[in-house]
Amino acid sequence: GQNIDQPTEMTATEGAIVQINCTYQTSGFNGLFWYQQHAGEAPTFLSYNVLDGLEEKGRFSSFLSRSKGYSYLLLKELQMKDSASYLCAVKDSNYQLIWGAGTKLIIKP
Amino acid sequence: NAGVTQTPKFQVLKTGQSMTLQCAQDMNHEYMSWYRQDPGMGLRLIHYSVGAGITDQGEVPNGYNVSRSTTEDFPLRLLSAAPSQTSVYFCASGQGTDDTNEKLFFGSGTQLSVL
Repeated sequence: GQNIDQPTEMTATEGAIVQINCTYQTSGFNGLFWYQQHAGEAPTFLSYNVLDGLEEKGRFSSFLSRSKGYSYLLLKELQMKDSASYLCAVKDSNYQLIWGAGTKLIIKP
Repeated sequence: NAGVTQTPKFQVLKTGQSMTLQCAQDMNHEYMSWYRQDPGMGLRLIHYSVGAGITDQGEVPNGYNVSRSTTEDFPLRLLSAAPSQTSVYFCASGQGTDDTNEKLFFGSGTQLSVL
């Protein structure tokens, strides 16, 4: 079967750095996405990786290793507004998205 | 710029009742989809459409119907509501799925409770 694993919950301090990991086992791979979802709101797109390596976008970076079936989202200079759930999703060989259950990130002052 | 408009925001149904969740997008996206989100689980695809007149089943289609008569609209119908359909529903659209980097735009969600 297809599977996306992420930690259920993480806690970090304002101003710090946090890394949210995602491991996947899917039938084929056509890219990995990270979405942010604030409580009670819709998911919004953060990043996309299809080749190995690091993609940087401001305070957020996303890394991919296809051989290890592994990705992480790195958030720097954490702000209170970064408190949200972070969803990892992989596009499989049929171009369908397989979603992880999400990681709830709690930021403390 | 409205994006993806989804209604209603909240709905309470009794078991056996039917209803339609509305979804409209103004971005001329070919791809539209419906997901449900349950605690502790990833988003699960119910139905999707790659263009007007074309629909297909996702991972959890039972108990739901869809139609796509126009590019803009993609309503989701619950035929006979069951408590297992209590969930948060999201409509999402994108330009296409064969473009691997195509991101999805989500509606604001519908919190549905079936009693």
